[in-house]
Amino acid sequence: DTEVTQTPKHLVMGMTNKKSLKCEQHMGHRAMYWYKQKAKKPPELMFVYSYEKLSINESVPSRFSPECPNSSLLNLHLHALQPEDSALYLCASSQDQHNEQFFGPGTRLTVL
Amino acid sequence: QKEVEQDPGPLSVPEGAIVSLNCTYSNSAFQYFMWYRQYSRKGPELLMYTYSSGNKEDGRFTAQVDKSSKYISLFIRDSQPSDSATYLCAMSGGYNKLIFGAGTRLAVHP
Repeated sequence: DTEVTQTPKHLVMGMTNKKSLKCEQHMGHRAMYWYKQKAKKPPELMFVYSYEKLSINESVPSRFSPECPNSSLLNLHLHALQPEDSALYLCASSQDQHNEQFFGPGTRLTVL
Repeated sequence: QKEVEQDPGPLSVPEGAIVSLNCTYSNSAFQYFMWYRQYSRKGPELLMYTYSSGNKEDGRFTAQVDKSSKYISLFIRDSQPSDSATYLCAMSGGYNKLIFGAGTRLAVHP
């Protein structure tokens, strides 16, 4: 099973809202990632968790807060977002840092 | 200069054609090379994964890596309208961080 699941599929939020994106994988992968993708652009890395510890933060604004409750789950907490944060948010996982990454279907976020 | 260069296209071909997609890169530390297919408004789907130089074949898809030239290719044989998508090359030196090309938009018309 090479599946990464993400919920919700779509999310519309106001600039004062707090919401969370969720990601889950049951492949036993030990590295999990959050990416942001704008239209007609490649994915941009935001965060990497390796063995449940944050290993890379690509200078992401603090209004995005990642969390890795266990080796199968990854959350992205959102607070006080801006309209320019509207994008497709992708989760990915890999067996470890040397292996290929598998992506989920994404959450399409719209900030009003 | 970007670390990974990929022609964004669009590339339009007739059904049944052989498609060649390419990326060049500048970082000689890259050892892991991937090709992803992304349909509109969906997540990227891994098509091919190659370590170091060489060829890899999977059905209608062949991936080639030439590290001496810093050049990778994806060939699609007998292309189908269902192959119409954006194809992203990606590569890494082995420390989690993937570097993506811009993506090539491919349209296969019947």
